[in-house]
Amino acid sequence: QKEVEQNSGPLSVPEGAIASLNCTYSDRGSQSFFWYRQYSGKSPELIMFIYSNGDKEDGRFTAQLNKASQYVSLLIRDSQPSDSATYLCAVHGSSNTGKLIFGQGTTLQVKP
Amino acid sequence: DAGITQSPRHKVTETGTPVTLRCHQTENHRYMYWYRQDPGHGLRLIHYSYGVKDTDKGEVSDGYSVSRSKTEDFLLTLESATSSQTSVYFCAISAGSYDYEQYFGPGTRLTVT
Repeated sequence: QKEVEQNSGPLSVPEGAIASLNCTYSDRGSQSFFWYRQYSGKSPELIMFIYSNGDKEDGRFTAQLNKASQYVSLLIRDSQPSDSATYLCAVHGSSNTGKLIFGQGTTLQVKP
Repeated sequence: DAGITQSPRHKVTETGTPVTLRCHQTENHRYMYWYRQDPGHGLRLIHYSYGVKDTDKGEVSDGYSVSRSKTEDFLLTLESATSSQTSVYFCAISAGSYDYEQYFGPGTRLTVT
């Protein structure tokens, strides 16, 4: 079992729809969770992080964390073609080294 | 962009030659990381540093060494490059309240022929 799992996609949604990206993790002691956006040929960009159970909203983005189910998701409301990218989930486990474990990413396509 | 630069941005080298990639940061962050990114494998940690002269291995460290003699610079060396080391290499730093948030440099595309 991979430590952080994401559906590779592609996930295709129409412009204006809600895109839902999901991630599961295996280390039950994990405390911190991150979403990165990566455009083709560019470096990953941190867009959201969440440390506590529940929802965290930032503009059109909402991160949802359920530690009991070891599940974290990213919702993108009013999806735009410019949101088309690969979204990487990353988890900080129970160590104190600052190391993150990354999923392989989900490719999102927003169609006009 | 968290003040991270990488050099060179692109490099083509021959099998068996040594290669050094440089990561430079301007904001005095303690933690620095080297990753490689390959299709089908995602981001994989090569080495990381938690201070000057303090480094440790990641999950794919074979064939790579690192050095950090100054806070601002973290060097990744391929002692004898192989074709399997053709990849995109990203440097990252940790920041934020708990030093868990990582921010990435622009990357170096390395091709070993």
